Amino acid sequence: NAGVTQTPKFQVLKTGQSMTLQCAQDMNHNSMYWYRQDPGMGLRLIYYSASEGTTDKGEVPNGYNVSRLNKREFSLRLESAAPSQTSVYFCASSERTGDEQYFGPGTRLTVT
Amino acid sequence: EDQVTQSPEALRLQEGESSSLNCSYTVSGLRGLFWYRQDPGKGPEFLFTLYSAGEEKEKERLKATLTKKESFLHITAPKPEDSATYLCAVQLGNNDMRFGAGTRLTVKP
Repeated sequence: NAGVTQTPKFQVLKTGQSMTLQCAQDMNHNSMYWYRQDPGMGLRLIYYSASEGTTDKGEVPNGYNVSRLNKREFSLRLESAAPSQTSVYFCASSERTGDEQYFGPGTRLTVT
Repeated sequence: EDQVTQSPEALRLQEGESSSLNCSYTVSGLRGLFWYRQDPGKGPEFLFTLYSAGEEKEKERLKATLTKKESFLHITAPKPEDSATYLCAVQLGNNDMRFGAGTRLTVKP
């Protein structure tokens, strides 16, 4: 039982490049989330998916897109990376929205 | 505007020295308040959920309490392994989750 897994662990991009962060959970959870964590600012919600087939914007969605591929997988895409998107990205899942969330190990992204 | 503020930013304790961490919030439509622990380089780990004022929850040396405007995480007789960043988060009525910036706790042996 791996919980929530994320790939890659580290990534360096040049401004304007695109990439997709992958997330998968094996807990049969309905809801999944993407956060970014910046020093001194705490975790901020980018997008979430309350259930398979639905996605909604969080606090900071600009510059990102998401896909809920199936119940297990939720990906985050940066179409044209900017230095302001340098951050640590966490994926999380929960049984349903409002329940405690279980987090992956994070992806450290640097955009130069 | 929905806000979650944690204090202090950092706290250094001697082993066995009890203390409290504060999480104050100004949000509309609070659905729940969560406490997480985060170790360096790792994702947050769930500790507690509180739903209504007056509610308390305990786990080992940790006890979380909730009022209408703030929550406290009390640490009794801490050990060095309790050193971590403690995060508070509130679930809003629209399913959004707002996190505080965290309190970085260091417990010296």
